[in-house]
Formats: sequence, C-alpha cells, structure tokens
Amino acid sequence: GQNIDQPTEMTATEGAIVQINCTYQTSGFNGLFWYQQHAGEAPTFLSYNVLDGLEEKGRFSSFLSRSKGYSYLLLKELQMKDSASYLCAVSRAYSGAGSYQLTFGKGTKLSVIP
Amino acid sequence: DSGVTQTPKHLITATGQRVTLRCSPRSGDLSVYWYQQSLDQGLQFLIQYYNGEERAKGNILERFSAQQFPDLHSELNLSSLELGDSALYFCASGGGGINQPQHFGDGTRLSIL
Repeated sequence: GQNIDQPTEMTATEGAIVQINCTYQTSGFNGLFWYQQHAGEAPTFLSYNVLDGLEEKGRFSSFLSRSKGYSYLLLKELQMKDSASYLCAVSRAYSGAGSYQLTFGKGTKLSVIP
Repeated sequence: DSGVTQTPKHLITATGQRVTLRCSPRSGDLSVYWYQQSLDQGLQFLIQYYNGEERAKGNILERFSAQQFPDLHSELNLSSLELGDSALYFCASGGGGINQPQHFGDGTRLSIL
C-alpha cells in the first residue's frame, strides 16, 4: 500500500518563505507531484520531481529525496493568493501503456496572513 | 482553464437515486481519471480509463461504474445513492506518460438529500 503524510495546516506571513513537507511510503515509485487547490476549486499542477534534488519554478520550488521518502514544496515571497491547500501526490506505474496512478495526501491548508 | 470539461457543476438528488457525471478530456489526452473528494477523506482515486479501456481501479464502490467512449469522453455512474456519497467528484485527464501531470476539471458537486 501507500502512505502519504503532510501537515494538516500551516500559517505564514505575507512576504515570507514557507516549506511544506511530505513523507511517503510506496512501492513502484515513479515520481512525485505537487498540486495547489483553492477551496471548492480544481487542483492545479505545480511541480513534478522524479530525480533527487531541487526543481525551481519562479516563486515555487520542490525537492525530492527518494532514499528518505521525503519531499517538500518551498513557497517564497508569499502572497495572499497563495492561501490554498497544497497536495502531495505519489505516482505509481502499472504494466501497460498509459497505466499510472496518483495517490494524494490529504493536503496542507496554508493560510497567508498580512 | 485546464481544458477538461465536467458537467453538471452541481447535482442535488435523493437517496436511492442514480446519477451520471460526464467528463470531456483535454484535446489529445487518452487517459481519464475519476476522483472523489470529501472533507474528511481528501482526494480519493476511483478509476482510470486509457483509450477506452479500464486501466486501474482505486477505492470505487460496486454501486459506482464508469466507461470511456470512442470519442474519449467518460461517464461516471453512481447508483443507489447514500448520504455519504455527497462529495465533489473530479475528472482529470492526462497523456498517459508517467511524467505527465493530470489536469483536473472543475468538478461536479453532488449533494444527496
């Protein structure tokens, strides 16, 4: 089976930096995705890591350590609009073309305060 | 706009009824995934179709079924509805590659009265 853990809630100040951690246990690991989800809206893709290390995309960066089963999402220069849930999702492939599945953590609700 | 279209946006019905949710994937995407999201459970994978064939099953109840048609749109059928089926149902589509993200539709909010 798969187990994914994220903190339930976090609060940070506008303009600051926040790190959202995700730990996972899975077989057949094929990468880790981060999604952002505003309340009542669809999740939107933020980043993908399959190799160890840091991937940077503007104000957002994501890190992966496969040996430790650990990832984090780093948000810099926080803005009020960054208040949302952040979902960590582990990808696992099955046999056959197009066969892969995402298992999502329960998400971290980030509140950005002035 | 993700390019994934889900209808209807809202659905209100009663226990014991049956409903059908519809999803049109992004142009060029062969895979369709269905998810259920409730407040306490997070985003739960239900089922995946790839180019018309079922590929993977998650926590999908026997009362639920899905199919993907030749034009690649998909339908999720929910029957004998219970109060606990009230949730947001998302469809996502993807190209099928392991490094390709899934793109989500806006969801259907199902309320069972």
